[in-house]
Amino acid sequence: DSGVTQTPKHLITATGQRVTLRCSPRSGDLSVYWYQQSLDQGLQFLIQYYNGEERAKGNILERFSAQQFPDLHSELNLSSLELGDSALYFCASSSRSENIQYFGAGTRLSVL
Amino acid sequence: AQTVTQSQPEMSVQEAETVTLSCTYDTSESDYYLFWYKQPPSRQMILVIRQEAYKQQNATENRFSVNFQKAAKSFSLKISDSQLGDAAMYFCAYDSGANSKLTFGKGITLSVRP
Repeated sequence: DSGVTQTPKHLITATGQRVTLRCSPRSGDLSVYWYQQSLDQGLQFLIQYYNGEERAKGNILERFSAQQFPDLHSELNLSSLELGDSALYFCASSSRSENIQYFGAGTRLSVL
Repeated sequence: AQTVTQSQPEMSVQEAETVTLSCTYDTSESDYYLFWYKQPPSRQMILVIRQEAYKQQNATENRFSVNFQKAAKSFSLKISDSQLGDAAMYFCAYDSGANSKLTFGKGITLSVRP
């Protein structure tokens, strides 16, 4: 168990809908990262938050947004969903001192 | 931009034998971190081993060791005494440091023959 919790494990929705993925980092970790894993794009970095502030942005679509709350949990919001958004979405967290990212079990999103 | 290349899509090894998974990367930085992550069928991403670029000594973790060649920008993973539980997808990843994002290779699927 990595200590990073992601909910839900699975999400099935329709095109055009909006979903929210939730991540609770390991106790004490201030950094949260979101990654998308798909068959055609592989594992891609989406966005990073550090102590509530956006720190880095990767290949994140404008339809996607994220935030990190004062209790350090993070949410990834995906809207106007398309078939191509079907993927496994991972959250990871790290501490400033260790520089190792620990991954949650992922949320599998299926857009039908 | 940094890139990570894993050119072998699949490999197979006999149980109890040794296998080496290859990875190359491209960067203009001198200080960075390299990782191998394992993704079994459960899809969980599990850290296998980490190497800090400023350390010349190759990292080892039990049956797992790396061959880090900084000048060649090569970072291979050696698995000794392979076990059935080692069957998984293995990803090589690069981190420029200071808790930045991970850049992943495409991964390699390792199968272990009993």
